[in-house]
Amino acid sequence: QQQVKQSPQSLIVQKGGISIINCAYENTAFDYFPWYQQFPGKGPALLIAIRPDVSEKKEGRFTISFNKSAKQFSLHIMDSQPGDSATYFCAASMRYTGNQFYFGTGTSLTVIP
Amino acid sequence: GAVVSQHPSRVICKSGTSVKIECRSLDFQATTMFWYRQFPKQSLMLMATSNEGSKATYEQGVEKDKFLINHASLTLSTLTVTSAHPEDSSFYICSPRSSDTQYFGPGTRLTVL
Repeated sequence: QQQVKQSPQSLIVQKGGISIINCAYENTAFDYFPWYQQFPGKGPALLIAIRPDVSEKKEGRFTISFNKSAKQFSLHIMDSQPGDSATYFCAASMRYTGNQFYFGTGTSLTVIP
Repeated sequence: GAVVSQHPSRVICKSGTSVKIECRSLDFQATTMFWYRQFPKQSLMLMATSNEGSKATYEQGVEKDKFLINHASLTLSTLTVTSAHPEDSSFYICSPRSSDTQYFGPGTRLTVL
């Protein structure tokens, strides 16, 4: 059973455009929602994370929007650049329990120059 | 950010041999270690979870006698793939957790001939 559902599977965006990746979860006990960026042949790297007590978090060109009632959260990449081309994974966990992170299936982003 | 190293970064071995992968958290203590495997263009699949000094807990379908995990200290964990077969060829990623944050190693590409 997929705890976190992610879409789209792949995304192509023009340079300068906005990339939007969506995730949905079912378990209301989740209280930590990170996004990871992974380049080919490399391990995932934490990009940005949010807790459910806020609806939006912005770090540079990256923004997480969180809708607690809908149990959805999304990653927005503003002014997308070719260097942003990577696979992005959303995840969810119960932060202080030491339990595993549940990952989405990933989105392959390609930013066209 | 936290530094996690994995060694080797890539290994090619013959079928039937054993391969040991080391994961070190260089500037923090990992109370919990997660080991993942990732097939091309797929998400991370949790293999096992281990706490320092305790036996690892394996996910359903992961053979504990084939994938030996040792978490002897708060900064070192090892994954040994015993009697490797071509179907074990994959990208193995360790993920140490410190309190409420989970980090990822750079991964080890295992190719079994």
